[in-house]
Amino acid sequence: TQLLEQSPQFLSIQEGENLTVYCNSSSVFSSLQWYRQEPGEGPVLLVTVVTGGEVKKLKRLTFQFGDARKDSSLHITAAQPGDTGLYLCAGAPIAQKLVFGQGTRLTINP
Amino acid sequence: GAVVSQHPSWVICKSGTSVKIECRSLDFQATTMFWYRQFPKQSLMLMATSNEGSKATYEQGVEKDKFLINHASLTLSTLTVTSAHPEDSSFYICSAPDWGIETQYFGPGTRLLVL
Repeated sequence: TQLLEQSPQFLSIQEGENLTVYCNSSSVFSSLQWYRQEPGEGPVLLVTVVTGGEVKKLKRLTFQFGDARKDSSLHITAAQPGDTGLYLCAGAPIAQKLVFGQGTRLTINP
Repeated sequence: GAVVSQHPSWVICKSGTSVKIECRSLDFQATTMFWYRQFPKQSLMLMATSNEGSKATYEQGVEKDKFLINHASLTLSTLTVTSAHPEDSSFYICSAPDWGIETQYFGPGTRLLVL
């Protein structure tokens, strides 16, 4: 059983479109992180959300943490080819041990 | 953000040999580090938790005698893949946490190819 369910797992859209990636769980997390990973590289932290209902923005990326701290979403506005990559959500329901969602492989076509 | 390095970034070895991968926290101390394995087009799978000055904690299904972990200092953890076989070929990634902001910093990964 996957502790963090990430959807969709694959997404291919045209440049300029908007998209949302979801990260859901039945467990409560003290925080959730979103990472982006390029092929052959380690994940790079995009954001950490800590407070229920929190919204954080990183340029065209908007991250939201659910009120109950069980889910999170990543919304990208006007996607660009440079946004292509593997997006991973991760959380630590058990102290100090991070668990990952399955990842969303995003492709933005020019 | 904090920086975690890994060495080597690539390694190709013959079946039966052992390979050591280093993970270093460059600008902070890490009493705990984590080792992950990632197969192509899949998410990260936690292998073990490396604890400075004590034994590593392995996840279910991970052979401790196969994947030796040593956390000898507050900035260095090593993963040794012993008697490597082709099925051990994978992308290995380490991370170190910053508990203060509940964040993990990842190394750039090590790609292992066992022939």
